[in-house]
Amino acid sequence: NAGVTQTPKFQVLKTGQSMTLQCAQDMNHNSMYWYRQDPGMGLRLIYYSASEGTTDKGEVPNGYNVSRLNKREFSLRLESAAPSQTSVYFCASNRDSPREKLFFGSGTQLSVL
Amino acid sequence: RKEVEQDPGPFNVPEGATVAFNCTYSNSASQSFFWYRQDCRKEPKLLMSVYSSGNEDGRFTAQLNRASQYISLLIRDSKLSDSATYLCVVNMWDSGTYKYIFGTGTRLKVLA
Repeated sequence: NAGVTQTPKFQVLKTGQSMTLQCAQDMNHNSMYWYRQDPGMGLRLIYYSASEGTTDKGEVPNGYNVSRLNKREFSLRLESAAPSQTSVYFCASNRDSPREKLFFGSGTQLSVL
Repeated sequence: RKEVEQDPGPFNVPEGATVAFNCTYSNSASQSFFWYRQDCRKEPKLLMSVYSSGNEDGRFTAQLNRASQYISLLIRDSKLSDSATYLCVVNMWDSGTYKYIFGTGTRLKVLA
């Protein structure tokens, strides 16, 4: 079982460049999430998608866009990267049950210079 | 006030020690509670869910106090391999989906 697959694992960008982080899950989950993790800040929700075709802002959405391409895939796009977006990004999914755990991808370490 | 608060630590304890972590949450509508473990630069992994009656999994015991909005994790007979960051996570229904709110984590170092 692949679970949640997230690419790339590492990326270095220059300020102003754009890129898309890819995430796919093979567990038929409805809900998918994008988090960023910074030292001392914990995981903060960027965007989430409760179902195919729907997306909503989380706690820190500025500077990001998302696409829920289908039930499996949920991508995160940085249109014009800024140094403040240097972080570790995690994609996650779950099955819409309050007792259901989150399944995480292995993370993307992004540095914006 | 943060929605989920934890003591960041680090907690430095000798092997074999018992250590307890606490977590408080602010939203009384929170539905589910979890402890996740995160190793350096890796993704968080579920350690255990926390139920109202309290639950135990080997050396780990989790407790929930809804009245005080307080969650705890007790680790007995600490092992070197328990060194990690422990994340308190609270789940609540909001705007059509379940949202998971993470604490900033408590670092544990178990020393030989």
